[in-house]
Amino acid sequence: DQQVKQNSPSLSVQEGRISILNCDYTNSMFDYFLWYKKYPAEGPTFLISISSIKDKNEDGRFTVFLNKSAKHLSLHIVPSQPGDSAVYFCAGGGSEKLVFGKGMKLTVNP
Amino acid sequence: KAGVTQTPRYLIKTRGQQVTLSCSPISGHRSVSWYQQTPGQGLQFLFEYFSETQRNKGNFPGRFSGRQFSNSRSEMNVSTLELGDSALYLCASSFRALYGYTFGSGTRLTVV
Repeated sequence: DQQVKQNSPSLSVQEGRISILNCDYTNSMFDYFLWYKKYPAEGPTFLISISSIKDKNEDGRFTVFLNKSAKHLSLHIVPSQPGDSAVYFCAGGGSEKLVFGKGMKLTVNP
Repeated sequence: KAGVTQTPRYLIKTRGQQVTLSCSPISGHRSVSWYQQTPGQGLQFLFEYFSETQRNKGNFPGRFSGRQFSNSRSEMNVSTLELGDSALYLCASSFRALYGYTFGSGTRLTVV
């Protein structure tokens, strides 16, 4: 039972354009959602979170949108930079337990 | 401030052996979680400890166990290793989940 799904394994965008990473979930009990970025040979790095009572959270170039009725969240990166190239994981959380999606590889081309 | 420290970084073990991995959380973080990352399954939750008590457990067999000490340091043990246990094992600590978890660099375990 995959509670958090990242259906697209990869995304390629041009530098300066918007990157939109999508995530769907099935567990309506999640209290919050988080996005992580991971480079090879490193642990995931926390990017941004959103509480389930909100529909948008913004932090610099990163904005996360939550659509609870659709059980869908997305991460927007504007403008995309080559250094954003990494694997991105979304995760749903509740009771201090995170359920991760399988990740999506973002490539930002110069 | 120091990040989450995991030791060792790399391990090679043979089938049937046991292994212990160590995690030192960020100072002040009392919650420590463990995850297994494999290419096919992504990040999978193993268990979470808070104040020396296991609060949450994922769907892994009993061969996987852990503990947390009074200084919040945590260890994870895998007994009777199988080839499929080869993975990157990540430890994460947090003060409060919504503020995000900080991950260590992981321990790469190879079972041969």
